[in-house]
Amino acid sequence: NAGVTQTPKFRVLKTGQSMTLLCAQDMNHEYMYWYRQDPGMGLRLIHYSVGEGTTAKGEVPDGYNVSRLKKQNFLLGLESAAPSQTSVYFCASCTPAGGSYEQYFGPGTRLTVT
Amino acid sequence: TQLLEQSPQFLSIQEGENLTVYCNSSSVFSSLQWYRQEPGEGPVLLVTVVTGGEVKKLKRLTFQFGDARKDSSLHITAAQPGDTGLYLCAGAILTSGSRLTFGEGTQLTVNP
Repeated sequence: NAGVTQTPKFRVLKTGQSMTLLCAQDMNHEYMYWYRQDPGMGLRLIHYSVGEGTTAKGEVPDGYNVSRLKKQNFLLGLESAAPSQTSVYFCASCTPAGGSYEQYFGPGTRLTVT
Repeated sequence: TQLLEQSPQFLSIQEGENLTVYCNSSSVFSSLQWYRQEPGEGPVLLVTVVTGGEVKKLKRLTFQFGDARKDSSLHITAAQPGDTGLYLCAGAILTSGSRLTFGEGTQLTVNP
């Protein structure tokens, strides 16, 4: 049982390049999330999904797109990377219960845009 | 606007000391969680509180949810170097559906 995995772990992009971050979970969770973590700013929600085929914008969605074609996978795309997107990206998943959303996180992807 | 205010932002103490971290908001939460994150890893859930006034204990860690469900605290007794890490509170606001709002985190360092 791997939990939540993220690919790749590290990446360096040049401004204007594109890439896709992959998140996979094997816990049959309904909900999946993408966050970015920057120093002094905690975790900020980029996009999330409450089920296969559905996505929604979070707090900081600009410059990112997502897709949830399969329940176990949640992809985060950067079409034209910018230095402001240098960050650590975390994926999380959960199945809500009783108003609680106990999230399980992946190990993160460290992205640098030069 | 930061909906969840955590304090202090940084805390450096000696082994054996006690400490309290606070998480405050003007919003009401249906549930509130505390996570701990170590360098290079994702956050790991410590506890969830859902009832106003609720107190939960996890070994030397005591978590309290405010009566009005707008605030929470984490108290560590006799801190150890292994407690070092980033502590994050996260709340599910009643009107935000399936989303969690995270505080900025408290970086705790326990010196031997």
